Amino acid sequence: GAVVSQHPSWVICKSGTSVKIECRSLDFQATTMFWYRQFPKQSLMLMATSNEGSKATYEQGVEKDKFLINHASLTLSTLTVTSAHPEDSSFYICSAGTYYEQYFGPGTRLTVT
Amino acid sequence: GESVGLHLPTLSVQEGDNSIINCAYSNSASDYFIWYKQESGKGPQFIIDIRSNMDKRQGQRVTVLLNKTVKHLSLQIAATQPGDSAVYFCAENNNAGNMLTFGGGTRLMVKP
Repeated sequence: GAVVSQHPSWVICKSGTSVKIECRSLDFQATTMFWYRQFPKQSLMLMATSNEGSKATYEQGVEKDKFLINHASLTLSTLTVTSAHPEDSSFYICSAGTYYEQYFGPGTRLTVT
Repeated sequence: GESVGLHLPTLSVQEGDNSIINCAYSNSASDYFIWYKQESGKGPQFIIDIRSNMDKRQGQRVTVLLNKTVKHLSLQIAATQPGDSAVYFCAENNNAGNMLTFGGGTRLMVKP
């Protein structure tokens, strides 16, 4: 089956720094990828839709200048959390696929100290 | 607004028993539903899906039932095993591109 990877799997950073998370589709091309955020004991909340070669579409309430998304190729999307703060600590998950088949990455645990 | 929600946040079952996890949705335009399993610290894993033109679909030890009249979705797991312990999410695709809307999740705990 289709595989989506994320890197890193976990990261600890200091408040005020920026962190980049990579999402890769390993064995298929993805024109669209999705970024979710999941707080402890909560569901996945869609942050943005990443479109290859164009600007990402952000969900209401998600700051596009804080969560920078770049989808430079058909197999790679990156999410950069800029000027991270402790409240940005969360589990970030990406997915890729089509309407009927969407594959999720293993997630990235971000802890901001 | 439109949402997908669950009735039970935690379900505890005995190993070997059957489990039923429920989900209510409110967007009548949704035409595709998926159940995901998420283990601690991992991404969601696809279990089974169903399209709106069906009311039942079976997989290996799992069955999904869709009742469009009352906008209700359920996941049945037969002969529940300790490895089934996880959080289960239902998700719907409401024709807004490929975007999925997730329900709140139910934690399934299997007692040996």
